[in-house]
Amino acid sequence: GAGVSQSPSNKVTEKGKDVELRCDPISGHTALYWYRQSLGQGLEFLIYFQGNSAPDKSGLPSDRFSAERTGGSVSTLTIQRTQQEDSAVYLCASSLVSGGGQSDTQYFGPGTRLTVL
Amino acid sequence: AQKVTQAQTEISVVEKEDVTLDCVYETRDTTYYLFWYKQPPSGELVFLIRRNSFDEQNEISGRYSWNFQKSTSSFNFTITASQVVDSAVYFCALSDYSGGGADGLTFGKGTHLIIQP
Repeated sequence: GAGVSQSPSNKVTEKGKDVELRCDPISGHTALYWYRQSLGQGLEFLIYFQGNSAPDKSGLPSDRFSAERTGGSVSTLTIQRTQQEDSAVYLCASSLVSGGGQSDTQYFGPGTRLTVL
Repeated sequence: AQKVTQAQTEISVVEKEDVTLDCVYETRDTTYYLFWYKQPPSGELVFLIRRNSFDEQNEISGRYSWNFQKSTSSFNFTITASQVVDSAVYFCALSDYSGGGADGLTFGKGTHLIIQP
């Protein structure tokens, strides 16, 4: 079956522009996660959705970052007024459920490489 | 706070050698999960194994084996008879009982494994 897909695979933007990154989870997976991978910070957890709801947004790096999920499926991560420090690979993962048990193992997409010039 | 330490930044071995990747974790939770993921040059994180804190049995899957020791808070990964295709960055990760829900996975910095032919 299809895995987690993300688009675009690469995005180059100018400082100050807004960008939208998209994640399509594995069909039937109710939980969705966003992470950021950068050379300096390694893999950082950003936000988690159970269904369409994100119970805790404190992992988002700044108020320029927002995320939403609609229909319990596709999620978008939006970065407003991009800065050079936002350059990183943004990874999305999904799991069948969350809350313990084998079914909440996270499966990752290929990522979106964001470069802010 | 949770923490995962992978002290080996890079390991280089010749094909067919055995190699062990170290992972040491810190958590105050009594129930938690440990994971290993592989990130080949293509960039996608590939799930390898999940172990819960109640199960200290070692696991073997083909050439891969994992040694979980709660007494030393370690979850080490051994590749036997390494092959060039094993070259990748390997990440150890930790989550609390919620299985990485609200808090996400806490990743180590990764070990870059290079298998030379």
